[in-house]
Amino acid sequence: GESVGLHLPTLSVQEGDNSIINCAYSNSASDYFIWYKQESGKGPQFIIDIRSNMDKRQGQRVTVLLNKTVKHLSLQIAATQPGDSAVYFCAENRNQAGTALIFGKGTTLSVSS
Amino acid sequence: GAVVSQHPSWVICKSGTSVKIECRSLDFQATTMFWYRQFPKQSLMLMATSNEGSKATYEQGVEKDKFLINHASLTLSTLTVTSAHPEDSSFYICSGRAGAIDEQYFGPGTRLTVT
Repeated sequence: GESVGLHLPTLSVQEGDNSIINCAYSNSASDYFIWYKQESGKGPQFIIDIRSNMDKRQGQRVTVLLNKTVKHLSLQIAATQPGDSAVYFCAENRNQAGTALIFGKGTTLSVSS
Repeated sequence: GAVVSQHPSWVICKSGTSVKIECRSLDFQATTMFWYRQFPKQSLMLMATSNEGSKATYEQGVEKDKFLINHASLTLSTLTVTSAHPEDSSFYICSGRAGAIDEQYFGPGTRLTVT
């Protein structure tokens, strides 16, 4: 069935580098996307969201880019810190009232100092 | 931000017994609650969607008679794993949504180990 997926299962960066985590989605009807951070043994933590009427949104040290033409979502983390080490998931809401968020496979980000 | 709690945070039970997990929205009314299951090194998989006062809607492949969900109030949903088996060992995460907004607020998860 349709699902949200991620291109790379792991990403290793040096402290201070910029990180880019990618996500491909398949449902063109999806209109809301969220990036979550999950640390070991904890629930997902909201990072940033974006709606389908936007192509870019910035937060503190994070930027989400949405390319609806190729159904691609990315999360950019500036000046990555060891505390950013976690699993990152993209999730989509498929534009249906009451439906749950569907999660992608996840990318493990490892930041070495 | 909105806060969701889960209790217990971890539980160990023997095979064949039942265990109940509570999910509470602490500072908002969750008209819809969702239950996810996460196996090690995997993503969150939706198990069921529950609207307050209604029967839960289960995802394909999730046994409704095994995973009993109750959403009797706007701040509490429970998941009961009946006749638990070792393969039910997993990380169970709930989330709540208030009204028609898109964002879901996630709980901290409950680690279930069935021996």
